[in-house]
Amino acid sequence: SQTIHQWPATLVQPVGSPLSLECTVEGTSNPNLYWYRQAAGRGLQLLFYSVGIGQISSEVPQNLSASRPQDRQFILSSKKLLLSDSGFYLCAWSVGTANSNQPQHFGDGTRLSIL
Amino acid sequence: GESVGLHLPTLSVQEGDNSIINCAYSNSASDYFIWYKQESGKGPQFIIDIRSNMDKRQGQRVTVLLNKTVKHLSLQIAATQPGDSAVYFCAENGHDYKLSFGAGTTVTVRA
Repeated sequence: SQTIHQWPATLVQPVGSPLSLECTVEGTSNPNLYWYRQAAGRGLQLLFYSVGIGQISSEVPQNLSASRPQDRQFILSSKKLLLSDSGFYLCAWSVGTANSNQPQHFGDGTRLSIL
Repeated sequence: GESVGLHLPTLSVQEGDNSIINCAYSNSASDYFIWYKQESGKGPQFIIDIRSNMDKRQGQRVTVLLNKTVKHLSLQIAATQPGDSAVYFCAENGHDYKLSFGAGTTVTVRA
């Protein structure tokens, strides 16, 4: 069966520090991968998605970037964090087919607090 | 613009009663819909999905109804249990493998 792992579960970082959040998927090949941010009590905002190694689509202009160095690895980064980067970051995967009627499956997220 | 929204942000239900969570969508081209459950501190968990060629689909204690005429989606939970307390999100497929999520309904089960 497929599993998705995110780490760390929680992170406290000072303003201006760099960020690297990692997400890996097991049990599937060539998945579509997604990074979301969820503000407290709010819905999910799509940040990036990827349909293959090295292929990244950005949804909103921001202080963050994403990379996919391996088929089942998705990394969210920042060179200098802002206070507004605080939030709950979720990684998700879906089956990599041309059919968009596929559910996305989420990891358990990283709670990021910027001080 | 296209949006997915929920009629009520909160729902309080007595344990053992049935719950109904509603969702409105505006994109008439959407042909796939999903319900997710999110417990505190965790990621959203897939509950059930439905394609636009159906108007009803049943799972274990859950039923999703789709009314394409009025662009309305609902999730029914039978015999609600304390473990059903969570935030529930509806989502619709958009462009390029993306999903559009509603803001969520918080369900609280009273003992």
